[in-house]
Amino acid sequence: SAVISQKPSRDICQRGTSLTIQCQVDSQVTMMFWYRQQPGQSLTLIATANQGSEATYESGFVIDKFPISRPNLTFSTLTVSNMSPEDSSIYLCSVKRSSHHYEQYFGPGTRLTVT
Amino acid sequence: GENVEQHPSTLSVQEGDSAVIKCTYSDSASNYFPWYKQELGKRPQLIIDIRSNVGEKKDQRIAVTLNKTAKHFSLHITETQPEDSAVYFCAATSSASKIIFGSGTRLSIRP
Repeated sequence: SAVISQKPSRDICQRGTSLTIQCQVDSQVTMMFWYRQQPGQSLTLIATANQGSEATYESGFVIDKFPISRPNLTFSTLTVSNMSPEDSSIYLCSVKRSSHHYEQYFGPGTRLTVT
Repeated sequence: GENVEQHPSTLSVQEGDSAVIKCTYSDSASNYFPWYKQELGKRPQLIIDIRSNVGEKKDQRIAVTLNKTAKHFSLHITETQPEDSAVYFCAATSSASKIIFGSGTRLSIRP
């Protein structure tokens, strides 16, 4: 499996500000995803980060709120914009080697608290 | 789209006993069913998976079964140990599709 790292591991932010979360993989992967996990809840897909094109967002998530970059096959960022306390959550990066592979692995997550 | 139901939401078993978690899925096109274990404060870890051309798969104390006709799949943990305490998520997908997760089962092992 790929080694996935995320920065920062946690942060406390004031409402109205933005935070950019980085995801780095130790090998090239075709598919990268961003998930949100609210306390005690399951994993909700925010978007698929596409290399060289705009991310594909799931219902309920929009680019203005969660802009995503994917400059290459090993790196992606997720920005949580104009934060409110409801954005307090764990944000996880996840990867699949390619669309022909099944196994999907998760990064360690970024715990965000908005005050 | 795919929908995955998971039961029970919480499960408490005596150490050494077996635990079973059950899931159902709705999309007959799904052909890959992973299970993730998430310990408190940690990332979800892929612990076992099964593809639709297989009915059962075992790895030491854990096993998964799949009934394609009924669209059911289950996780079985035998001889449970304290380190098995965690939240377990089932999921369903096909290779080119996004993974859909169940709601999770919080498993507690009583000493």
